[in-house]
Amino acid sequence: GAVVSQHPSRVICKSGTSVKIECRSLDFQATTMFWYRQFPKQSLMLMATSNEGSKATYEQGVEKDKFLINHASLTLSTLTVTSAHPEDSSFYICSTPGQTNTGELFFGEGSRLTVL
Amino acid sequence: GENVEQHPSTLSVQEGDSAVIKCTYSDSASNYFPWYKQELGKRPQLIIDIRSNVGEKKDQRIAVTLNKTAKHFSLHITETQPEDSAVYFCAASIGGNTPLVFGKGTRLSVIA
Repeated sequence: GAVVSQHPSRVICKSGTSVKIECRSLDFQATTMFWYRQFPKQSLMLMATSNEGSKATYEQGVEKDKFLINHASLTLSTLTVTSAHPEDSSFYICSTPGQTNTGELFFGEGSRLTVL
Repeated sequence: GENVEQHPSTLSVQEGDSAVIKCTYSDSASNYFPWYKQELGKRPQLIIDIRSNVGEKKDQRIAVTLNKTAKHFSLHITETQPEDSAVYFCAASIGGNTPLVFGKGTRLSVIA
């Protein structure tokens, strides 16, 4: 399979600050990265899809100016939560199809964001 | 777009009994159906998957069945153990480099 490393695993920030979450593909080139959000006791909801070298596409209801996604290289995709508020507190997790093209997704470890 | 419904939302079974979780999907183009186990604070872990050209797949105590006509698939866990307690998610996609759409999850509790 593919290995995806996600950092930080946990972050606590004050309301109004920005937080960057990084996902690195360690043993393959990740052309595509899916970013999911999971609120407590809920399911994983797709936020956006990023493709290396192009703009991310966002799901309906997700503010692209608030959740900035950068996929400037084949091994790194980042999600920046700008001007975070308590309602942004969630578990953010990246995933990629890797190189298998079978439909299977490989997940990062996830990042627990708490906004005070 | 795809919509995945999952039932039940919670399930309690006695250790050694079987557990069954069911999902339905809406998009007939979907052809990849994985099941994930997620423990608190951890990433989802793939436990089994099935593709639309197969009706059933088994891996030790875990099995998945797929009915393409009815657009539903099920997870079966036999001889449940306390360590099977977790949240289980079904998902669906059209395969390739496309995202998964997840069900709402089932919290399984195995009582010793």
